[in-house]
Parts: sequence; structure tokens; C-alpha cells
Amino acid sequence: KQEVTQIPAALSVPEGENLVLNCSFTDSAIYNLQWFRQDPGKGLTSLLLIQSSQREQTSGRLNASLDKSSGRSTLYIAASQPGDSATYLCAAPNQAGTALIFGKGTTLSVSS
Amino acid sequence: EAGVAQSPRYKIIEKRQSVAFWCNPISGHATLYWYQQILGQGPKLLIQFQNNGVVDDSQLPKDRFSAERLKGVDSTLKIQPAKLEDSAVYLCASSLTTDSYEQYFGPGTRLTVT
Repeated sequence: KQEVTQIPAALSVPEGENLVLNCSFTDSAIYNLQWFRQDPGKGLTSLLLIQSSQREQTSGRLNASLDKSSGRSTLYIAASQPGDSATYLCAAPNQAGTALIFGKGTTLSVSS
Repeated sequence: EAGVAQSPRYKIIEKRQSVAFWCNPISGHATLYWYQQILGQGPKLLIQFQNNGVVDDSQLPKDRFSAERLKGVDSTLKIQPAKLEDSAVYLCASSLTTDSYEQYFGPGTRLTVT
């Protein structure tokens, strides 16, 4: 059964700092992994989708890596801004390869 | 391209009442998902449709929850009767198919059961 864990649960950093969010998953036979952002009271916005054949994916200041052998993914945010404050969720497919199993998220606060 | 639409955005009901949520996926997306997100938790899948057929409803509390996607497009999720522990955000998502494609989420419906 796929389980997804995210650490830390919360993170506070000053503006401009680079930071890393961690995600681990128990079933490494995944074909992709997805990172989402959720603002308070809002739905989920897809940030990055990494296919199993890829090691990393980049979008602007965001870089996500995937290491299937160790069951880990990281989301790197460069030069953080107050607008990056949100909850970041990592999700991996369930064993059937259909729906997503989510971690509890990391709530990021960037102060100006 | 229009995103996933959901309504209502907010709903407050008393326990034992019934409630229904509506979702319209992105045009052309065959797969539709309903997730439940309790405060402080990640979303949990309730039911998944491929066109108008159910792929996975193993975590749907079938004694009180029901869902349908009659024409393979819009979907409705119903709770009857509601319990206090059903207070959560109900998220609808869609994807092109079930295989290796990104899921796109709607804004969610926040349900409060009093």
C-alpha cells in the first residue's frame, strides 16, 4: 500500500532564502510523482509532474527531483518570495496506478 | 482552456441532512476523481470514474455517500445523511486518462456539518 510522507510539516524562512521540501514514498514502482501548491481556502495547483524516466523537472524557480530507488523526491525553491507562502503537497500514484496518494503537506511561510 | 468547475463553493448543513456537490471536468478529460480533504490532511480519494464507469470506489462510505457521472462528463457527489466528521473540503479533479497524466483540480467545496 502506497504511503507518502512529507517533512517538515511547517517551515518559516526569510525572503530570498533557498529551501528544500522533502517527500518520501513506500512503493517505488511508480510511473510519476506530482507536486502541488494549495493556498488557504483554495484548490490544488499542479506545480511539477516528474515521470519515472526523468530525474528532475524544472519550472522557473522550482526544481523537483525524483529518486525511485530511495523512494524520495525533493522540491527545491530558489530565492523564496512572500508569494511562495502556501502548503506544498506531494502525491504518488496508488498501487493500482490510478489515483493519487497525498502526503499531509508542508506549510511554507516566507517573511519579507 | 477552462479549468475544473465545482459548485457550490461553500455549504453549511446540520447533521442528518443531505447535500450534493457538482463537478464539471476539463473538456475532453475522460477520468474524473472526487477527493475528500480534512483540515490538516492531504486529499484522500473517494471515487474515480473513467468516462461514466466507476474505476475505484473502495474508500467511498457507501452507506451515506453516492456519486454518479451519467453522461461521462459532469459528476455529482451526494451525502445522505451527513455526519459531523464529513466536514471537509471536497475536491474534484480530472485527467485525460488514468495512465500517467497530470490531474487538474477544481477549487473545491468546503462543507461544514453542524
